[in-house]
Amino acid sequence: EDQVTQSPEALRLQEGESSSLNCSYTVSGLRGLFWYRQDPGKGPEFLFTLYSAGEEKEKERLKATLTKKESFLHITAPKPEDSATYLCAVVTNNAGNMLTFGGGTRLMVKP
Amino acid sequence: NAGVTQTPKFRVLKTGQSMTLLCAQDMNHEYMYWYRQDPGMGLRLIHYSVGEGTTAKGEVPDGYNVSRLKKQNFLLGLESAAPSQTSVYFCASSLRQGWQPQHFGDGTRLSIL
Repeated sequence: EDQVTQSPEALRLQEGESSSLNCSYTVSGLRGLFWYRQDPGKGPEFLFTLYSAGEEKEKERLKATLTKKESFLHITAPKPEDSATYLCAVVTNNAGNMLTFGGGTRLMVKP
Repeated sequence: NAGVTQTPKFRVLKTGQSMTLLCAQDMNHEYMYWYRQDPGMGLRLIHYSVGEGTTAKGEVPDGYNVSRLKKQNFLLGLESAAPSQTSVYFCASSLRQGWQPQHFGDGTRLSIL
């Protein structure tokens, strides 16, 4: 059974304090890993897709990386508007190309 | 450009009542999905559709039915609501293959008393 674990569950940062969120996975046949951002009362918003180990993608202050066992979402010099829950999800051969989500990391950035 | 629209946004039901949640997308996407999101459980797939007239079970399908009579609409029905179905329900769509990015609506918050 595919498993996706995100850590930490919650993270508090000061504005400008860089950090990383972790998404570790135990799956068979990874086809892709997705990062989403979810604001309170809203649906998840797509950020990145990573397909193979070593791949990196960037968007503003966010950078996502992928290894064979985990993915990191690096946040450089965060701002209060980066506060949200960040979700990781995988697509594998096991799950018929459907997404399996982790529990998310709630990020709070204080001014 | 609305994207994915869900109605209603909030609903309170009594145990045993039935209701239908509506999802509409205007992106001409083939794939559509229904998820539920519960604290500590993450998003879990209920049912999905790979095209008009098709549906399939996801991870947690019991107690729910779905229909996709038109390409742009995906309906989720609760036949006899139970308190365990209290949750936030999200609809999503994607262009073709399941591993392409999914676009989500803003959810329906459903409480079963």
